[in-house]
Amino acid sequence: GENVEQHPSTLSVQEGDSAVIKCTYSDSASNYFPWYKQELGKRPQLIIDIRSNVGEKKDQRIAVTLNKTAKHFSLHITETQPEDSAVYFCAASRDNDMRFGAGTRLTVKP
Amino acid sequence: NAGVTQTPKFQVLKTGQSMTLQCAQDMNHEYMSWYRQDPGMGLRLIHYSVGAGITDQGEVPNGYNVSRSTTEDFPLRLLSAAPSQTSVYFCASSFHMRDEQYFGPGTRLTVT
Repeated sequence: GENVEQHPSTLSVQEGDSAVIKCTYSDSASNYFPWYKQELGKRPQLIIDIRSNVGEKKDQRIAVTLNKTAKHFSLHITETQPEDSAVYFCAASRDNDMRFGAGTRLTVKP
Repeated sequence: NAGVTQTPKFQVLKTGQSMTLQCAQDMNHEYMSWYRQDPGMGLRLIHYSVGAGITDQGEVPNGYNVSRSTTEDFPLRLLSAAPSQTSVYFCASSFHMRDEQYFGPGTRLTVT
């Protein structure tokens, strides 16, 4: 089955800096790649997603890039703010199965 | 809209007991799923359903059963609880697997 690896497991940045989280996947048939943000004690919420026919997608300070050949995708957050502090999960999906990475705990220091 | 609701919020079981975690959504979503979340392991898919009457296994289905008799409800049954099933359980729904999944608030289950 699909295997998703996510790095780093923890990331600390200064407010205003950029943050990058990387994920690799094993199944070349995976075609949908969402990113979820989970604040402490809360439910996961989608922040951005990308499909396999697209190489990059942006939404304000958040962007995701996908390299299908290398089977990796990345989340980029620019101009980080303290409210960006949370755990971020990447995921890869084919058919009706979804596999998540282990998560990255992002801390933005004011 | 209430979105995705789950009950109970907390539950403590003894080994060998059975129980059902309830999940309901009012968004007319066809796709529903159950995940468990353990520290350092992300979310793992237990079972999913693509519509009423259709269910399938995910990554970690052993020890759990599901059914989908209506579009709105997707209960998860633990037949004989084990300490390894101590976890936070999330239900989610979406129009399609490759759409935004809306998660419920979660159920924290402890098996002693």
